[in-house]
Amino acid sequence: GNSVTQMEGPVTLSEEAFLTINCTYTATGYPSLFWYVQYPGEGLQLLLKATKADDKGSNKGFEATYRKETTSFHLEKGSVQVSDSAVYFCALIKNTGTASKLTFGTGTRLQVTL
Amino acid sequence: DVKVTQSSRYLVKRTGEKVFLECVQDMDHENMFWYRQDPGLGLRLIYFSYDVKMKEKGDIPEGYSVSREKKERFSLILESASTNQTSMYLCASSIGTGNEQFFGPGTRLTVL
Repeated sequence: GNSVTQMEGPVTLSEEAFLTINCTYTATGYPSLFWYVQYPGEGLQLLLKATKADDKGSNKGFEATYRKETTSFHLEKGSVQVSDSAVYFCALIKNTGTASKLTFGTGTRLQVTL
Repeated sequence: DVKVTQSSRYLVKRTGEKVFLECVQDMDHENMFWYRQDPGLGLRLIYFSYDVKMKEKGDIPEGYSVSREKKERFSLILESASTNQTSMYLCASSIGTGNEQFFGPGTRLTVL
């Protein structure tokens, strides 16, 4: 079946540091890939997505590239801010014929300090 | 903007009670989903619905049922709440296939 593996957290960084959160996936065919973010006390929000190999999703300074050869979709940001502190979820969608179901990773908590 | 609302942010119930969690979306999405979120386990799909009165089991449907009588509303029902159903419950909706899901703010349910 489909699965998503994320690096364990928490990740603690100083403001302006470089961020990488690793994500690899297992799926047949060509899934679409997503990063969602969950700020404290809130639901999940879509951060970025990529629908085919070599696509790069980007938003709010975050980027991730769909790498089919390594089945990866690592999230990066060049300079993190305290306001980026949140839990980040990598996910994939694979059509089932009725509705598309998301498969999530376990989430990575990011804590950014001054 | 798509808006997904959930009836309660926090809920406390007793073991054996029947619990209803309500979710409403305002963008005419045909697909709606219920997840539970637990530390270290991420989000797990309980049930989803791709049309009015249509439902399918997700990965962990045991102990839950759902109802979708109107397109905009999707209810999660715990027939007899148990302590192991203490969790954060998230509702989501989407349009078509292969598209992003929009999430509500979540309901944190505690079963005593």
